Amino acid sequence: NAGVTQTPKFQVLKTGQSMTLQCAQDMNHNSMYWYRQDPGMGLRLIYYSASEGTTDKGEVPNGYNVSRLNKREFSLRLESAAPSQTSVYFCASKLDWGTGELFFGEGSRLTVL
Amino acid sequence: GQQLNQSPQSMFIQEGEDVSMNCTSSSIFNTWLWYKQDPGEGPVLLIALYKAGELTSNGRLTAQFGITRKDSFLNISASIPSDVGIYFCAGQTYSGAGSYQLTFGKGTKLSVIP
Repeated sequence: NAGVTQTPKFQVLKTGQSMTLQCAQDMNHNSMYWYRQDPGMGLRLIYYSASEGTTDKGEVPNGYNVSRLNKREFSLRLESAAPSQTSVYFCASKLDWGTGELFFGEGSRLTVL
Repeated sequence: GQQLNQSPQSMFIQEGEDVSMNCTSSSIFNTWLWYKQDPGEGPVLLIALYKAGELTSNGRLTAQFGITRKDSFLNISASIPSDVGIYFCAGQTYSGAGSYQLTFGKGTKLSVIP
């Protein structure tokens, strides 16, 4: 079982470049999430999609956009990368928008120079 | 927004020792969750707590949902090298209109000395 798959696992960008982080889950989950993890800051929610066709801002949405392409896929786009966006990004999914276990991908390490 | 205070930030312990970490908040939560993150991996759920006062075990791990609903602790007994990692607490609340909010603590980094 693949669970939650993120690509790429590593990426280096120059300031101002754009890129998209891809996420796919094969668990038939309805809700999907993007978090960033920074040293000493824990996990902070960027955007989420409670169900297919909906997306909402989380705690730190500035500089990001998302697309819920279908039930399986939820992408995160950086239109103009900044050094402050250097971080490890985690995609996660949950069966429904409510209580229940959140399953995480392995993470995507992004460095913006 | 809601904040969780997780402590300690880091721990160095000898193999075989017991470990205790906790999360506190000024906010009330409906659910407490404990996750572990191995180096280079995503967090994995260890224990979920759904009722105030609930005490739940998972092997050598024991966690409790505080009676005030504002805190939770995680204990690990007889630590082993594979316990190394970052442990996160997370509290979930119902925000109304079908919306749930999950807040993570900043993590406790555990190092085990063989």
